[in-house]
Amino acid sequence: QKEVEQNSGPLSVPEGAIASLNCTYSDRGSQSFFWYRQYSGKSPELIMSIYSNGDKEDGRFTAQLNKASQYVSLLIRDSQPSDSATYLCAVNIQATDKLIFGTGTRLQVFP
Amino acid sequence: EPEVTQTPSHQVTQMGQEVILRCVPISNHLYFYWYRQILGQKVEFLVSFYNNEISEKSEIFDDQFSVERPDGSNFTLKIRSTKLEDSAMYFCASSERTAYNSPLHFGNGTRLTVT
Repeated sequence: QKEVEQNSGPLSVPEGAIASLNCTYSDRGSQSFFWYRQYSGKSPELIMSIYSNGDKEDGRFTAQLNKASQYVSLLIRDSQPSDSATYLCAVNIQATDKLIFGTGTRLQVFP
Repeated sequence: EPEVTQTPSHQVTQMGQEVILRCVPISNHLYFYWYRQILGQKVEFLVSFYNNEISEKSEIFDDQFSVERPDGSNFTLKIRSTKLEDSAMYFCASSERTAYNSPLHFGNGTRLTVT
């Protein structure tokens, strides 16, 4: 059974701080990784995709991938109260059209 | 920005009834998906669809479920005889290429309530 693990949180950070969200996955052959944001009662919204080891930056967001450790993370700089949401890590299972989601980490940014 | 649209936003049905959930994927996307999320649980893969046929399906996607692309724009999920445990949010998604190298874009979802 392919798994994606995330700490469910909540992760509470003050406004302006860096929020660090982590995810591990079990399928060593996975090549594609995605971070989605989900507000309560809403659909997942794509934040970032990452396919290669290392860092990928997009505005206040940085995704980090380490395939050897089977670990992917998301950093949110200058966190805002509007960033308060559940962050979903999703991993493509090798050679399939299937994404497996983690349970998500709930982030709370307080003013 | 183009988006995936789903109708209806909320569907209430009685156990044993058939329901059809509808989706219009992004127009230049080739891969289509249905996912579901039971309240408080993770987003779960149901089925992927490419070139007018199912490319992958999960254990959840049993004989009660079917998908169809009846015309050039719509993509539907049919549940033949709904059960209480089918109550969930159902998300349609599409991607330009396979999920292996192309992100999925999700619609706003249909909340299905089976009574």
